[in-house]
Amino acid sequence: NAGVTQTPKFQVLKTGQSMTLQCAQDMNHNSMYWYRQDPGMGLRLIYYSASEGTTDKGEVPNGYNVSRLNKREFSLRLESAAPSQTSVYFCASSEVGTASYEQYFGPGTRLTVT
Amino acid sequence: AQRVTQPEKLLSVFKGAPVELKCNYSYSGSPELFWYVQYSRQRLQLLLRHISRESIKGFTADLNKGETSFHLKKPFAQEEDSAMYYCALSGLDSNYQLIWGAGTKLIIKP
Repeated sequence: NAGVTQTPKFQVLKTGQSMTLQCAQDMNHNSMYWYRQDPGMGLRLIYYSASEGTTDKGEVPNGYNVSRLNKREFSLRLESAAPSQTSVYFCASSEVGTASYEQYFGPGTRLTVT
Repeated sequence: AQRVTQPEKLLSVFKGAPVELKCNYSYSGSPELFWYVQYSRQRLQLLLRHISRESIKGFTADLNKGETSFHLKKPFAQEEDSAMYYCALSGLDSNYQLIWGAGTKLIIKP
């Protein structure tokens, strides 16, 4: 099992460009998450999907959109990238959408917006 | 406001010495507390959670509600403990999602 996979691993964008970060899990988990991690800060939740067909805003949703394509896949879209979105992005999944259940993380995507 | 504070960005101790990674939290109710760990070139993963009262890889953590702390301890550090450690909490106020500390990098010197 690959667990949680993310593509791409690295990306450089210019201000105003758009892109989609892809995430997939093969553990049959119901819940999926997108986090960002900035230097000196903990992970911050952007969006999550407690179950297929639902999505909810997290702590820092502005500038992002998500799609829960099916049970396996959860994508994060930046419509018009800004330098403030330079960060490392992590996708995670869990059996159920509360923190009591262990979250399994992908390897991360390092995004730079110039 | 709910918040998790890990006061040490970096902690360096010798092999065999005791380790304590500090975690303080601010939360008005009764949170669940967790420690996640990221070893070099590996993914972030759950180490332990207070509700399980477990010891993983020799690490333990006690929830002190009076001091609002959840420090991670190990009596004898090993080189393979070198990693980034993150404390996190969840509760009703966060809609049961994780609120993370900034992390502490632990280096075990031989």
